[in-house]
Amino acid sequence: AQKVTQAQTEISVVEKEDVTLDCVYETRDTTYYLFWYKQPPSGELVFLIRRNSFDEQNEISGRYSWNFQKSTSSFNFTITASQVVDSAVYFCALSEVKAAGNKLTFGGGTRVLVKP
Amino acid sequence: EAGVVQSPRYKIIEKKQPVAFWCNPISGHNTLYWYRQNLGQGPELLIRYENEEAVDDSQLPKDRFSAERLKGVDSTLKIQPAELGDSAVYLCASSLVPVSGGTQYFGPGTRLLVL
Repeated sequence: AQKVTQAQTEISVVEKEDVTLDCVYETRDTTYYLFWYKQPPSGELVFLIRRNSFDEQNEISGRYSWNFQKSTSSFNFTITASQVVDSAVYFCALSEVKAAGNKLTFGGGTRVLVKP
Repeated sequence: EAGVVQSPRYKIIEKKQPVAFWCNPISGHNTLYWYRQNLGQGPELLIRYENEEAVDDSQLPKDRFSAERLKGVDSTLKIQPAELGDSAVYLCASSLVPVSGGTQYFGPGTRLLVL
């Protein structure tokens, strides 16, 4: 069965500090997809990134970067030079190709609080 | 392009009352999902539609929950009767393709409080 673990429940930083969110997943599939979503206080889940299991290249998008390591089953997310607007709950999610349809399994989320 | 629309945003009801949530997916998205998110947890899938057909409702508590997606566009999720434990945020999502890896786009959710 697929499982996603986000061990950090809450991280508090001061503005301009970097913050790294950990995500560890379990799956028996060799083909799968990993996602990160942001949930601000408004409640809407905002899509940030999708990565398939065959693409281990790290990705950078502005202040966001992602480190995918299949050897450790991890897909970590770093926010560089954090801003107050980054305060939100961040979810890592997994979708297995062999599972029925496009079911997403979410981790428990990490709340990030960026203080001015 | 408009995102996923949900209404109402908030609902407070007494236990044993019925309640319904409405979702309009992104135009052209054939696949629609309903998730429930309990406080402090990640969302969990309740039901998935491909067009009008409910193709995965294994996690839907069918004794009190029902859903429909008439004409393959809008969808309604109903609870009757509501229980205290149903208090949660109900999220609707849609995707262009039903296969794994298709990005799901979420609406703002309906926050339900059952008293």
